[in-house]
Amino acid sequence: AQKVTQAQTEISVVEKEDVTLDCVYETRDTTYYLFWYKQPPSGELVFLIRRNSFDEQNEISGRYSWNFQKSTSSFNFTITASQVVDSAVYFCALSEAIAGGGNKLTFGTGTQLKVEL
Amino acid sequence: KAGVTQTPRYLIKTRGQQVTLSCSPISGHRSVSWYQQTPGQGLQFLFEYFSETQRNKGNFPGRFSGRQFSNSRSEMNVSTLELGDSALYLCASSLQQYNEQFFGPGTRLTVL
Repeated sequence: AQKVTQAQTEISVVEKEDVTLDCVYETRDTTYYLFWYKQPPSGELVFLIRRNSFDEQNEISGRYSWNFQKSTSSFNFTITASQVVDSAVYFCALSEAIAGGGNKLTFGTGTQLKVEL
Repeated sequence: KAGVTQTPRYLIKTRGQQVTLSCSPISGHRSVSWYQQTPGQGLQFLFEYFSETQRNKGNFPGRFSGRQFSNSRSEMNVSTLELGDSALYLCASSLQQYNEQFFGPGTRLTVL
């Protein structure tokens, strides 16, 4: 069965610090998809990134970067020069290639990031 | 393009009642998925509908059901409500399978 582990329950940093959110996944499939979502206090999940299992290239988008390592089954997320607006709960999620197709996300428990002035 | 919309945003019900939640996906998206979020269990997949057919189902009792209409709008129904059904119910739509899912603002259900 697939599983996503986010061991960091809560992280507090001071603005402008860099912070890395860890994500470790388990799956028996060779084809799978990994995602990161942000959930601000308003509650709506905001999509950040999607990565398939065949693409191990790291990705950078502004202050955000992601490090995907199949060898350690990890998909970590780094925010550079954090800002107060980054305060939110961040979820890592996994989707396996289901027989018959479909979308089913398995989420980690989330990491609450607090960025203070 | 308008995002995913969910109605109502807040709902208060009593045990034993039933409730229907509605979700309108992003225009052109045919896949609609439902998730339940609680402090204790986190985010859990309920089911997914595609072209009016349930394509995937999570591990929830039969009291949880859903349907999808020809315009891709979806509803989920919970019958015989229990206190433990209090949660944020999130709907998400996707263009294709395995693509990113876009979430609505959720319906917060409180069962008294």
